[in-house]
Amino acid sequence: DSGVTQTPKHLITATGQRVTLRCSPRSGDLSVYWYQQSLDQGLQFLIQYYNGEERAKGNILERFSAQQFPDLHSELNLSSLELGDSALYFCASSVTPFGYTFGSGTRLTVV
Amino acid sequence: AQSVTQLGSHVSVSEGALVLLRCNYSSSVPPYLFWYVQYPNQGLQLLLKYTTGATLVKGINGFEAEFKKSETSFHLTKPSAHMSDAAEYFCALGYGGSQGNLIFGKGTKLSVKP
Repeated sequence: DSGVTQTPKHLITATGQRVTLRCSPRSGDLSVYWYQQSLDQGLQFLIQYYNGEERAKGNILERFSAQQFPDLHSELNLSSLELGDSALYFCASSVTPFGYTFGSGTRLTVV
Repeated sequence: AQSVTQLGSHVSVSEGALVLLRCNYSSSVPPYLFWYVQYPNQGLQLLLKYTTGATLVKGINGFEAEFKKSETSFHLTKPSAHMSDAAEYFCALGYGGSQGNLIFGKGTKLSVKP
């Protein structure tokens, strides 16, 4: 157990739907990062939050959004889902720059 | 622009043989470099990292990597492969200073034959 908890582990949903992925960071870690891992794109940085504030944005689609709550857990919202959004979504947390601890991911399948 | 290239999407070695996974990078600033391992259905685990200082970096599970600025490389090696080393390995480049963001290579899947 890495200390970073992601729920759910698996999610199957239909095109056009909206889902929410949840991440609880390791105790004491203020930064949360979201990454998408797909076969064609590899691991892509989506977005980073630090202590509730958006810190950096990567290749995140406009249909996707995230937030970090006062208790530091984070949610990634994916809407108007397309088949191409099927991927593994990882959350990582850190207390120092680059000191990542990854969760085990949420596997999203869009059918 | 920052980028990471891993040569070889799949490497196969025999148990006990040398493991060599190649990584080249491009960076306009002094790089921070990382190797991560991913076992099936698991998240990424840090093997080792280079920030500054000694160019030969030792990590967990007997792995090490050498930072070669002149060759813009950060290859991962292990003298003797074990069956448990079979996994996917990712090289990553750190950027963004205090933001601490990573650019990952496409990954190399390591198979170990008995």
